[in-house]
Amino acid sequence: DAGVTQSPTHLIKTRGQQVTLRCSPKSGHDTVSWYQQALGQGPQFIFQYYEEEERQRGNFPDRFSGHQFPNYSSELNVNALLLGDSALYLCASSPTGGEKLFFGSGTQLSVL
Amino acid sequence: EDQVTQSPEALRLQEGESSSLNCSYTVSGLRGLFWYRQDPGKGPEFLFTLYSAGEEKEKERLKATLTKKESFLHITAPKPEDSATYLCAVRTNAGGTSYGKLTFGQGTILTVHP
Repeated sequence: DAGVTQSPTHLIKTRGQQVTLRCSPKSGHDTVSWYQQALGQGPQFIFQYYEEEERQRGNFPDRFSGHQFPNYSSELNVNALLLGDSALYLCASSPTGGEKLFFGSGTQLSVL
Repeated sequence: EDQVTQSPEALRLQEGESSSLNCSYTVSGLRGLFWYRQDPGKGPEFLFTLYSAGEEKEKERLKATLTKKESFLHITAPKPEDSATYLCAVRTNAGGTSYGKLTFGQGTILTVHP
């Protein structure tokens, strides 16, 4: 049983560009959350998707947007990249009502 | 605003030297306190969930405890393979029944030397 898979694993972009990160949840999971983890910090909640809608959002600007597809996979889009967006982006999935999150290995984004 | 603070930031132990990691929290309406382990280049891996003061959970050399203000992760006779970053996170009643949002501490980097 594959766990949470994320792609790509690494990405290098320049300031002002746009990026799309992808996530496939664990089998049987329908809820996807995205987190940003800066170097030396704990993950910070970006938003959560359930039934193809954004259910809750953290303190991130509108440059961060997402989408969930009917097969429960999800995308995270970041527009107008800033140097400060360099971080590890983690996707986590859970089943409906499940309290335990299962994390992917993340996408390491570097903005130059 | 929910706050989670972990200490120490880094801890170096000799193999077999037991110790504890601390997680202090200030939240309104705790729904659960979570411990995760994170290896370099990997996502966090779930260890424990604690729900109420006085609760304890164990897994191999790890034991997690919870009070109304803090949680401890006790590591007994650690081995080099226990080296990792240990993250504490809380879920609260804020925002209704949101099962996704966790507020994390900054983590404790544990290094166990052979």
